[in-house]
Amino acid sequence: KQEVTQIPAALSVPEGENLVLNCSFTDSAIYNLQWFRQDPGKGLTSLLLIQSSQREQTSGRLNASLDKSSGRSTLYIAASQPGDSATYLCAVKKGNYQLIWGAGTKLIIKP
Amino acid sequence: GAVVSQHPSWVICKSGTSVKIECRSLDFQATTMFWYRQFPKQSLMLMATSNEGSKATYEQGVEKDKFLINHASLTLSTLTVTSAHPEDSSFYICSARDKLAGNIENEQFFGPGTRLTVL
Repeated sequence: KQEVTQIPAALSVPEGENLVLNCSFTDSAIYNLQWFRQDPGKGLTSLLLIQSSQREQTSGRLNASLDKSSGRSTLYIAASQPGDSATYLCAVKKGNYQLIWGAGTKLIIKP
Repeated sequence: GAVVSQHPSWVICKSGTSVKIECRSLDFQATTMFWYRQFPKQSLMLMATSNEGSKATYEQGVEKDKFLINHASLTLSTLTVTSAHPEDSSFYICSARDKLAGNIENEQFFGPGTRLTVL
């Protein structure tokens, strides 16, 4: 059974710092892995999607890596800003549509 | 990007009553909609998958008679929590897959969620 774990559960850092969020999964047979952002009162926003054959994806200040063999993914945020404060979720895809989710990391960027 | 709305955004009800939550795709047609439940500090858990015009497929452990799902049109799906109890209190999130998504994997658009509190 696929399980997805995110560490840490919460993180608070000063503005401007670079930071790394971690996601691990128990079954390496994934189709892809996706990072989302969840803001209170708003829907989930997809940030980056990494196919199983890829090792990383980049979008602006965000970089996500994938190491299937070790069951790990990281989301790197460069030069953090207060607007980056949100809960970050990772999800792995198995089969057709089903996404298996981590519990998220609540990130607070202090001005 | 595509927009999915949910109504209401929050609801408080008495134990034993039924609550209906709507999920709408505002600017696209959704052949498939998904309903998730999220308890505090826990993962999103898929409850059911609904395809327009057909019966929903429920995940193991989810009572289909308690959580009624109707996907009557390409832009609307409803989740009705029947005879709600305090343990049903949770954050319910829907997502919709664009009919035109084709081979775009994981092209799900998420609603803002509905906070249900059962007293």
